[in-house]
Amino acid sequence: AQSVTQLDSQVPVFEEAPVELRCNYSSSVSVYLFWYVQYPNQGLQLLLKYLSGSTLVKGINGFEAEFNKSQTSFHLRKPSVHISDTAEYFCAVTPVHNTDKLIFGTGTRLQVFP
Amino acid sequence: EAQVTQNPRYLITVTGKKLTVTCSQNMNHEYMSWYRQDPGLGLRQIYYSMNVEVTDKGDVPEGYKVSRKEKRNFPLILESPSPNQTSLYFCASSLSRGGTYEQYFGPGTRLTVT
Repeated sequence: AQSVTQLDSQVPVFEEAPVELRCNYSSSVSVYLFWYVQYPNQGLQLLLKYLSGSTLVKGINGFEAEFNKSQTSFHLRKPSVHISDTAEYFCAVTPVHNTDKLIFGTGTRLQVFP
Repeated sequence: EAQVTQNPRYLITVTGKKLTVTCSQNMNHEYMSWYRQDPGLGLRQIYYSMNVEVTDKGDVPEGYKVSRKEKRNFPLILESPSPNQTSLYFCASSLSRGGTYEQYFGPGTRLTVT
């Protein structure tokens, strides 16, 4: 079975500051990894995904994430956040051999202050 | 516009009164899925469908039914709702197998069972 841990339930940050949202996973098999964002009162949309290749993945809105297999982590980063980045961010994994199931973390609420 | 629609967006009902939440996508996607989102638990998969007439259980299927008679529609049925099914529900679709392709989410249905 797979599980995803997002250690920080809330991350407050000032505008233009850098931010890192942490994600660790547990799995006995290889997985694909994703970050989704949920803006207030909306559904989720994909920020970025790691399937294979370069461990540094760039996504939309200036976000990037780095896959670290040895530490089973997939942290999300942005060098300078905007007010509009205020949202909930979900890390998710799916086992490579069974991609019908997507397992989500509990989410991290990013609050950007002016 | 490519989208996933859900109806209703908000629903308050009483214990035991059967209800259906509809989900429709206009992207000719093969894969569709239902999730529930609860505070502190993130999103959990209820059921998914790989194609017409092909459905399977996710992680929390108890108390729910689904059907996939047409490619575009994937209704969620609660035969006898109970208060522990009060939640925010999301439908999602993707081109093919859920994990390797981006999942497109609907706007959500907030259900309250009293």
